[in-house]
Amino acid sequence: KAGVTQTPRYLIKTRGQQVTLSCSPISGHRSVSWYQQTPGQGLQFLFEYFSETQRNKGNFPGRFSGRQFSNSRSEMNVSTLELGDSALYLCASSLDPSGNTIYFGEGSWLTVV
Amino acid sequence: EDQVTQSPEALRLQEGESSSLNCSYTVSGLRGLFWYRQDPGKGPEFLFTLYSAGEEKEKERLKATLTKKESFLHITAPKPEDSATYLCAVQQTGANNLFFGTGTRLTVIP
Repeated sequence: KAGVTQTPRYLIKTRGQQVTLSCSPISGHRSVSWYQQTPGQGLQFLFEYFSETQRNKGNFPGRFSGRQFSNSRSEMNVSTLELGDSALYLCASSLDPSGNTIYFGEGSWLTVV
Repeated sequence: EDQVTQSPEALRLQEGESSSLNCSYTVSGLRGLFWYRQDPGKGPEFLFTLYSAGEEKEKERLKATLTKKESFLHITAPKPEDSATYLCAVQQTGANNLFFGTGTRLTVIP
């Protein structure tokens, strides 16, 4: 059974640019969440989607946005990149919002220069 | 506000030397407490979810327990391959997102 798949795995962007990251959840999972991981702040919740609707949002600026498609795949976008956006972005999927078991992908490493 | 504190920050054990990792939490209504293992450069690997005080779960050399204020991850006779960062997270009632601690970095020396 395939796990959570995130693309791309590594990318380098320039300050001011925008980036789109993609996540394919485990087959049958309909809830997708995104997290940012940095050495200083640890793992922080960005947002959660279920049935194409954002259910919950963390404390991040409006430059961070996301969406979910009808096939449960999700994308997150960061506009006007800042150096501090350099991080590992992790996608997690669960069967539904009851979230009894939440599985993470390997993440997308974003470096902003 | 939710708070999760993990201790110690780092732990070095000899192979076979059992120990425990601590996760203290404050949350307004606990739906679940999660334990993950994370290897360098990889995403967190799911280990356990605990739901109520007194609950215990085991997997190989790992056993997780839960009280009303904290959770312990007991590692029995660890091996070098158990070296990783262990993350604890709480899930609030009515929410699906996780609030993470900063982790315990475990090193098991052969």
